[in-house]
Amino acid sequence: KQEVTQIPAALSVPEGENLVLNCSFTDSAIYNLQWFRQDPGKGLTSLLLIQSSQREQTSGRLNASLDKSSGRSTLYIAASQPGDSATYLCAVDDYKLSFGAGTTVTVRA
Amino acid sequence: DAGITQSPRHKVTETGTPVTLRCHQTENHRYMYWYRQDPGHGLRLIHYSYGVKDTDKGEVSDGYSVSRSKTEDFLLTLESATSSQTSVYFCAISVPDREIKANYGYTFGSGTRLTVV
Repeated sequence: KQEVTQIPAALSVPEGENLVLNCSFTDSAIYNLQWFRQDPGKGLTSLLLIQSSQREQTSGRLNASLDKSSGRSTLYIAASQPGDSATYLCAVDDYKLSFGAGTTVTVRA
Repeated sequence: DAGITQSPRHKVTETGTPVTLRCHQTENHRYMYWYRQDPGHGLRLIHYSYGVKDTDKGEVSDGYSVSRSKTEDFLLTLESATSSQTSVYFCAISVPDREIKANYGYTFGSGTRLTVV
């Protein structure tokens, strides 16, 4: 059974600092990995999708890397803003989507 | 963007009553999923469908049934609701990535908050 772990569980940073969110998974036989954002009481918004053959994906201030062999992905958010405050979820697709518990980010103005 | 609508958005029901949640998509995507989200457990797969009348169980399927009689609709039924089924329920569809069509990602609905009293 795929196990997905996200570290840290919570993170608080001052505005402007770069964010580094970590995700690890136990079974490297995956199709892709997806990062989501979830605001309190809301649904999930897709941020980045990385296919298993890719090493990274970028979208604006967001960059996600994938090392399938070691079972790790990292989400980098550059120059954080208070609007980045949310819970970030990592999900691994090996025919079914398995989620980590998330990292709750607070960016202080 | 793939349109996905869940109804109702909120529901309060009594223990022992049947409840049906609906997920509707505006495009003909084959795969649809039901998840529940609970504090301390994250998102867990209940059931999924890979076509009309084709469904399978996820990791937390006990107490739930699903039906898919049309491509666009995926129904989740709690036959006899219990307090342990109080949760937020999300529907998802698997859709091709905008830029790399061979990549399939997931799009989620806005969720249904169900309270069983």
